[in-house]
Amino acid sequence: DAGVTQSPTHLIKTRGQQVTLRCSPKSGHDTVSWYQQALGQGPQFIFQYYEEEERQRGNFPDRFSGHQFPNYSSELNVNALLLGDSALYLCASSFRPSQTEAFFGQGTRLTVV
Amino acid sequence: QQQVKQSPQSLIVQKGGISIINCAYENTAFDYFPWYQQFPGKGPALLIAIRPDVSEKKEGRFTISFNKSAKQFSLHIMDSQPGDSATYFCAAKEGADGLTFGKGTHLIIQP
Repeated sequence: DAGVTQSPTHLIKTRGQQVTLRCSPKSGHDTVSWYQQALGQGPQFIFQYYEEEERQRGNFPDRFSGHQFPNYSSELNVNALLLGDSALYLCASSFRPSQTEAFFGQGTRLTVV
Repeated sequence: QQQVKQSPQSLIVQKGGISIINCAYENTAFDYFPWYQQFPGKGPALLIAIRPDVSEKKEGRFTISFNKSAKQFSLHIMDSQPGDSATYFCAAKEGADGLTFGKGTHLIIQP
């Protein structure tokens, strides 16, 4: 069982650029959630995808968008990058949104310069 | 508005001792309270979780104590080992919503 996999592991972008992060959920899981973890802070919920639709969103601007594919994998897109977007981006998967146990990937470390 | 407050921010415990981390929440609709362990460069891993209809749950050396009336819950790590040194996060969830995390506790177990 591969678990939740994220790519890339590290990424450096320039302010104003756009970035796409990818996530493959754990086998058997159909729900993907994205979190942003700033250095020294707890993860913050960005949004959740189920049945290829965004079903819930945290307090993040529209510059953050996502997509879920028929195979349940997901992408997180961030436009017009700001220095403050530098963080560890975590993907978590579960079976159905209502399932309580969420499994996290190792994250993508995004640095905006 | 921080819905889950975690303390202490950092904690040093001697090997074999008991590590205690506390969390308080505001939203009474939360119905699931997990604890996650995170090592540097890794994603959070679920340690143990509890529902509000139970006051205590134990798994191995890890115990959650839950006080619904006080809106508080805590993690106890018995016989703490150097391998337990990590950052611990409490979290809470309402129904099918996303997790709300505390700010984390950096735990160091001294040999």
